[in-house]
Amino acid sequence: EAGVVQSPRYKIIEKKQPVAFWCNPISGHNTLYWYRQNLGQGPELLIRYENEEAVDDSQLPKDRFSAERLKGVDSTLKIQPAELGDSAVYLCASSLGTGATTNEKLFFGSGTQLSVL
Amino acid sequence: AQSVSQHNHHVILSEAASLELGCNYSYGGTVNLFWYVQYPGQHLQLLLKYFSGDPLVKGIKGFEAEFIKSKFSFNLRKPSVQWSDTAEYFCAVLSGSARQLTFGSGTQLTVLP
Repeated sequence: EAGVVQSPRYKIIEKKQPVAFWCNPISGHNTLYWYRQNLGQGPELLIRYENEEAVDDSQLPKDRFSAERLKGVDSTLKIQPAELGDSAVYLCASSLGTGATTNEKLFFGSGTQLSVL
Repeated sequence: AQSVSQHNHHVILSEAASLELGCNYSYGGTVNLFWYVQYPGQHLQLLLKYFSGDPLVKGIKGFEAEFIKSKFSFNLRKPSVQWSDTAEYFCAVLSGSARQLTFGSGTQLTVLP
């Protein structure tokens, strides 16, 4: 079974530049998550989708971050413009089910390591 | 807001030693509890979870965790660690109201051969 696929694996950009990350969840998984993991810390939720609807984006810095999940499958996360403090690993995860059954088991991708210079 | 504390940032053990990693959470209501593991060069994966019933939960690779509600704890244990258990371990809590999974800061376990 193919897992959660993320690209690119690494990204180095200069501050103020835009950057985008792509995620393909496990087939059939209705819920998709974007997490940010800073060095030495655990993942922090940025946004959660159930199908194509963003059901929890309370932690997403909406002035510079945006996300979309068209057709309820693949998703992209964008930062524009990037700041030095955005350097982190951006993780995508997916899970089966929605609502009360979501979050029961998350499958994570390998992440995109972003370095903002 | 819920929070998760993992007090041990880095634990170093010799093979065959017993392991206990601490996890405490702050939320007074119903919680679901998880341990995730990240082996070197691999992605995060679920080790075990507690939703209800027996507070002693058994997971993969001989790991277990005990939910002690009165102590707000969900410590991870293994009686005898192996070199292949070297990884970073994350405790996570899902509260009933927020339905948001909150992770601890992780504990890096190094097992010496």
